[in-house]
Amino acid sequence: KQEVTQIPAALSVPEGENLVLNCSFTDSAIYNLQWFRQDPGKGLTSLLLIQSSQREQTSGRLNASLDKSSGRSTLYIAASQPGDSATYLCAVLRDYKLSFGAGTTVTVRA
Amino acid sequence: NAGVMQNPRHLVRRRGQEARLRCSPMKGHSHVYWYRQLPEEGLKFMVYLQKENIIDESGMPKERFSAEFPKEGPSILRIQQVVRGDSAAYFCASSPIEGGSSYNEQFFGPGTRLTVL
Repeated sequence: KQEVTQIPAALSVPEGENLVLNCSFTDSAIYNLQWFRQDPGKGLTSLLLIQSSQREQTSGRLNASLDKSSGRSTLYIAASQPGDSATYLCAVLRDYKLSFGAGTTVTVRA
Repeated sequence: NAGVMQNPRHLVRRRGQEARLRCSPMKGHSHVYWYRQLPEEGLKFMVYLQKENIIDESGMPKERFSAEFPKEGPSILRIQQVVRGDSAAYFCASSPIEGGSSYNEQFFGPGTRLTVL
């Protein structure tokens, strides 16, 4: 059974600081890994998708790496802004289903 | 291109009633997934459907829960005789390609928040 863990559970930083969010998974036989953002009471917004054959993906201030053999992914957010405050979820895909971590709740202080 | 649509956004039911949650996938998407987010828990997979077919329902509770994705119209998640433990946020996602592919990117709707009194 796939277990996905996200560390830390919560993070508070001043505006402008870089964010580093960690995700680990127990079964490396995955098809891909997605990072999502979830705002309170809202749905999930897909941020980045990394296929199993890829090492990283970048979109604007976001960069995500994937080390499938060690079961780890890291999401970097450069120059954080108050609007980045949200819960960030990591999910791995295998056999049609996404397995989610519990998330990292980020607060960026102005 | 409108995103995944779910309705209602909020649903209140009394114990023993039925809940019907609807999901319209993104245009051009023929693959639908349902996930449940219980309070203080992460999202859990429930079921994967294609038009008129249930592909994987391994995450669905064995009783009271059913799902369909008819040829015409939205996907429906139906919960019969709801209990307080069914209170959760139910999310629908859709994708344009087969679920078991590295290119499968799932796009999520805003969710339906079910409260059982």
